Amino acid sequence: NAGVTQTPKFQVLKTGQSMTLQCAQDMNHNSMYWYRQDPGMGLRLIYYSASEGTTDKGEVPNGYNVSRLNKREFSLRLESAAPSQTSVYFCASRQTSDNEQFFGPGTRLTVL
Amino acid sequence: QKEVEQNSGPLSVPEGAIASLNCTYSDRVSQSFFWYRQYSGKSPELIMSIYSNGDKEDGRFTAQLNKASQYVSLLIRDSQPSDSATYLCAVIPIFNAGGTSYGKLTFGQGTILTVHP
Repeated sequence: NAGVTQTPKFQVLKTGQSMTLQCAQDMNHNSMYWYRQDPGMGLRLIYYSASEGTTDKGEVPNGYNVSRLNKREFSLRLESAAPSQTSVYFCASRQTSDNEQFFGPGTRLTVL
Repeated sequence: QKEVEQNSGPLSVPEGAIASLNCTYSDRVSQSFFWYRQYSGKSPELIMSIYSNGDKEDGRFTAQLNKASQYVSLLIRDSQPSDSATYLCAVIPIFNAGGTSYGKLTFGQGTILTVHP
């Protein structure tokens, strides 16, 4: 089992460019999450998907969109990147019957 | 007031000492509490979860929960240099994973721990 995988690992964008961060899990988990981590601020929830076919906003959703493509995959899209979106992005998944979230390795994004 | 606050750190302890990490939370209905460890450049890893008042021990780690004081702590006994990392406290407001919280975690800002030989 690979667990939670994320692509790409690193990305540099120019202001206004768009991109999609990919996340996949092979643990048959129902719930998936996108977080961003900024220095001194812990992790903040961007969007989550409680189950296949549903998505909802978290604490900091502005400037982002998500797609729960199927049970395995949950993507995060930046339509028009801004320097304030420079961050490390983590995807996580969880089985409904459990509280433990498993995190992917992260994507380090820089917006110039 | 932040929903979840941790002692600001950084915290430096000598090898073999007890490291004490503290966390307070503002939501009185919070029921599930977690400690994650994050090495530099890596993703968070769950090391402890606690749901009831009192202590929970797992090897060198002890989590302590006091819901009346809205306080959760993590003690690391016999600290090792390999324990040097950022420790993140996280809270879910509702115990039942099938409840409306959908398992959403609220994290504190993290405490950097350095264990020096």
